[in-house]
Amino acid sequence: ILNVEQSPQSLHVQEGDSTNFTCSFPSSNFYALHWYRWETAKSPEALFVMTLNGDEKKKGRISATLNTKEGYSYLYIKGSQPEDSATYLCASFGRGAQKLVFGQGTRLTINP
Amino acid sequence: NAGVTQTPKFQVLKTGQSMTLQCAQDMNHNSMYWYRQDPGMGLRLIYYSASEGTTDKGEVPNGYNVSRLNKREFSLRLESAAPSQTSVYFCASIIDRDYGYTFGSGTRLTVV
Repeated sequence: ILNVEQSPQSLHVQEGDSTNFTCSFPSSNFYALHWYRWETAKSPEALFVMTLNGDEKKKGRISATLNTKEGYSYLYIKGSQPEDSATYLCASFGRGAQKLVFGQGTRLTINP
Repeated sequence: NAGVTQTPKFQVLKTGQSMTLQCAQDMNHNSMYWYRQDPGMGLRLIYYSASEGTTDKGEVPNGYNVSRLNKREFSLRLESAAPSQTSVYFCASIIDRDYGYTFGSGTRLTVV
């Protein structure tokens, strides 16, 4: 079974501060790692899909890195804004799998 | 493009009643998924269809059935609703594993 773990479960950050959180996944049989942003009362939206060790992706103030050898990914948010408040989900595809395995998410709250 | 369309958005059922949740995508995606979201539980996979003509159980299939009617449509049926099936249900689709899921807007189901 492919378990995906995220930490911390929740995080409160002051507006303007930068923050990061972690996703860990089994490194064997890895195919792809996804990050999603999920705002309250909405549906999850894909942020990044990463497949290669050392991948780094960026979208505005949000970036992510991937280490497939040790089985972790970091999501970074620079200069947090209130609109960044959301739950951030990571999920992994195993090699040969047809479905994502989701972590429990990190709930981020930005305090103005 | 409408993306992934779920109907209905809200539904209240009495225990023992049946209903079908509809999901349709217009992006020519191959795989489709049904998830439920419960507080503190994250997203849990109910059933999925890796391609037209196939369906497979996820983590929590009991009490549900699915039909992949064609490439566009994937329905979820509750034959005899129970209060434990009160949840928010999300449909998602993906063209292949190198791309992110597209989620529908969700169906909030209450069973009384």
